[in-house]
Amino acid sequence: AQRVTQPEKLLSVFKGAPVELKCNYSYSGSPELFWYVQYSRQRLQLLLRHISRESIKGFTADLNKGETSFHLKKPFAQEEDSAMYYCALTPYGGYNKLIFGAGTRLAVHP
Amino acid sequence: EAEVAQSPRYKITEKSQAVAFWCDPISGHATLYWYRQILGQGPELLVQFQDESVVDDSQLPKDRFSAERLKGVDSTLKIQPAELGDSAMYLCASSLGSLNTEAFFGQGTRLTVV
Repeated sequence: AQRVTQPEKLLSVFKGAPVELKCNYSYSGSPELFWYVQYSRQRLQLLLRHISRESIKGFTADLNKGETSFHLKKPFAQEEDSAMYYCALTPYGGYNKLIFGAGTRLAVHP
Repeated sequence: EAEVAQSPRYKITEKSQAVAFWCDPISGHATLYWYRQILGQGPELLVQFQDESVVDDSQLPKDRFSAERLKGVDSTLKIQPAELGDSAMYLCASSLGSLNTEAFFGQGTRLTVV
């Protein structure tokens, strides 16, 4: 079964601390992995995707096929990073269908 | 900047009543998605259209839910009759194509069934 697991419902850190939001997936093929973010009172939007291999707003994520993980990292958290973060996958050939995890709320305190 | 539009933003309905949601995707986007997000969970795909055709409705409860995209542009999702368990956020999204393209989400419709 295709599944995305985000083990933490809430991650609370202080400004300037490193952040790692965990994401594990279950899929037998080669999925495409994404991180979506939802800031307060805003719509869900794409943060980054693994095929782009780029850093967005200081966030990076590396696909580890051996551990079936796609953790999101940022070395120094900012207060404006506070939001709901969702990990998602698209199965290969899956018509862009997104399978989401339950999400992790990141709270960055001053 | 073009955005996906949804209406209404909020809807309260009594159980056993009919309810409908509307979505207008970004102009030129061939693929349209309806997701349901229950409180505390991530969005779950209900139905996906490629132009006017349904390409995935495997998670759509077809005994009470229906969706259409008659001209391949805007779309309507209907529930009849509504049940208490249908209370959720209903999100519409669109993308240029069906492969490897970014999905853009609307603000959603918050449905409460009483």
